[in-house]
Amino acid sequence: GDSVTQMEGPVTLSEEAFLTINCTYTATGYPSLFWYVQYPGEGLQLLLKATKADDKGSNKGFEATYRKETTSFHLEKGSVQVSDSAVYFCALRTGGSQGNLIFGKGTKLSVKP
Amino acid sequence: DGGITQSPKYLFRKEGQNVTLSCEQNLNHDAMYWYRQDPGQGLRLIYYSQIVNDFQKGDIAEGYSVSREKKESFPLTVTSAQKNPTAFYLCASSTGKGDQPQHFGDGTRLSIL
Repeated sequence: GDSVTQMEGPVTLSEEAFLTINCTYTATGYPSLFWYVQYPGEGLQLLLKATKADDKGSNKGFEATYRKETTSFHLEKGSVQVSDSAVYFCALRTGGSQGNLIFGKGTKLSVKP
Repeated sequence: DGGITQSPKYLFRKEGQNVTLSCEQNLNHDAMYWYRQDPGQGLRLIYYSQIVNDFQKGDIAEGYSVSREKKESFPLTVTSAQKNPTAFYLCASSTGKGDQPQHFGDGTRLSIL
């Protein structure tokens, strides 16, 4: 079945460091891909999305490119801030899942000043 | 502002009791979802509803029940049959169409006394 695999955390970085969180997927058909962020004690917020191959989603300095050939959707940011500390979830949605999302297990990011 | 409201934020249950978690949305979304979040497990789908008066089991429906009598409301009951109910519960909604993302509430943390 469809699935999402994220790199395990936690990831600890210093402020202004470069961030990459890897995400790969397995899916039938052509999924839409999402990154969600969860701040402590809160629900999930959509960070960015891409709906077809080679699309690049971007928001708040974060970027991710839909790579069909490598079935990947890695999250990147050039310079992280303390306020980026959160848990990041990669997710996919295929037409076959009736619009339901399939989530990775999440990657916790801690940014130190 | 439009959004999803979950209440209460914290909930305590005694052994053998049923408890109901509230989820209300004013986004005029057709689809609503309940997820359970455990540390290191990501989000797992409990139940979802694509339209009023209809709902479907997700991956971990055992020990839970839902109703969808109104478009705006999708309450979740955690029954005494759920043997390990301590978790963070998240409600979400979406238009259910195309590549539109799900919008999440801030969650309810349920604990057993």
